[in-house]
Amino acid sequence: SAVISQKPSRDICQRGTSLTIQCQVDSQVTMMFWYRQQPGQSLTLIATANQGSEATYESGFVIDKFPISRPNLTFSTLTVSNMSPEDSSIYLCSVLEGGGYTFGSGTRLTVV
Amino acid sequence: GENVEQHPSTLSVQEGDSAVIKCTYSDSASNYFPWYKQELGKRPQLIIDIRSNVGEKKDQRIAVTLNKTAKHFSLHITETQPEDSAVYFCAPPNKLVFGAGTILRVKS
Repeated sequence: SAVISQKPSRDICQRGTSLTIQCQVDSQVTMMFWYRQQPGQSLTLIATANQGSEATYESGFVIDKFPISRPNLTFSTLTVSNMSPEDSSIYLCSVLEGGGYTFGSGTRLTVV
Repeated sequence: GENVEQHPSTLSVQEGDSAVIKCTYSDSASNYFPWYKQELGKRPQLIIDIRSNVGEKKDQRIAVTLNKTAKHFSLHITETQPEDSAVYFCAPPNKLVFGAGTILRVKS
């Protein structure tokens, strides 16, 4: 299965700043997915990142707040912009393999 | 969109007992039914899945059963062990959403 390297693993950020999360996959994939997992909650899809086109955002998530880059078939970034304490969460990138997801190790973000 | 219900939200069992978690979905065209396990502080991992052409699949102590008529699929864990303690998520087929999760606690 694919190996996904995600960084940073955790960060503590000041409100109003931005953080960029990176995911590197060891194989080429058409789509990459970005999820958010708030404390004690399930996973919520933020957006789907396709190489060569704009990301597709789910309801409640907008590009200005969560800009995504997908420069090639093995890499993607998610930026959490103008952060507030409500953005404190775990952010996970993932890819689909044979129907099931493989996840990166996650980024634990705390906004103070 | 897809409606998914996962039950129960929490489940406590004695070590050695069985645990069953159920997921109900709404899309009758679905054909792939996975379950994920997330240990504390770790990423979710696919533990078992089933496709719509079979009714049951087993992998050692875990199994998944599918009832397409009733539109639900279930995770069965037998002879539970403390290391089975985790949060389990179903993912409705063909959709990029996850169930609400079930916290399983295995008491030794």
